[in-house]
Amino acid sequence: QVQLQESGPGLVKPSQTLSLTCTVSGGSISSGSHRWSWIRQPAGKALEWIGRISSSGSTNYNPPLESRVTVSVDTSKNQFSLKLSSVTAADAAVYFCARETYGNGWYGDFWGPGTLVTVSS
Amino acid sequence: DIQLTQSPSFLSASVGDRVTITCRASQGIGTSLAWYQQKAGKAPKVLIYDASTLQSGVPSRFSGGGSGTEFTLTISSLQPEDFATYYCQQLSTYPITFGQGTRLETK
Repeated sequence: QVQLQESGPGLVKPSQTLSLTCTVSGGSISSGSHRWSWIRQPAGKALEWIGRISSSGSTNYNPPLESRVTVSVDTSKNQFSLKLSSVTAADAAVYFCARETYGNGWYGDFWGPGTLVTVSS
Repeated sequence: DIQLTQSPSFLSASVGDRVTITCRASQGIGTSLAWYQQKAGKAPKVLIYDASTLQSGVPSRFSGGGSGTEFTLTISSLQPEDFATYYCQQLSTYPITFGQGTRLETK
């Protein structure tokens, strides 16, 4: 059974960079059959897709965030990471990582439990 | 961007009821749609992908339908564990987008 776990600071200062890591267990991140994504959810609000990466490093990002987002993969550690620069209060949210599988489009079939990120000085 | 509008946003129902949630896309997406269930404080769980394919392990009381711009998620007989928030997600076109959610509450 694949498991994902987010880790990283729960508190980030405004204008700084948010950095999170997702560690995958029970399966290889090098599998070409899957993509690895980040999704966030502000308190009481809907889900927002941030971006995804393949095991080869190919990325796709949500355009409103694209100038501030970097998703990377470390196959040796079976991890992928999210960096979001110049954060503001609007970036406070629960951040989820997920494995995506292809049907008629990539959907999230396994998710991490999520990690709360607060933006405050 | 493709906008997804779910209706209703809130739904009150009782155990044993049949309920249907609708997701409308602002442009056609074929069958590139997934449905998720999210309970408070938990990660979303996929129920349906490709608009109508039941994810492995999901009870058969859940079903999905539709194509193009209109989609449905139906729960044939509500169980106590089904009270949660439900989201649709379009998988067709970047940026990937979610609906605003439907909160299913006990009547």
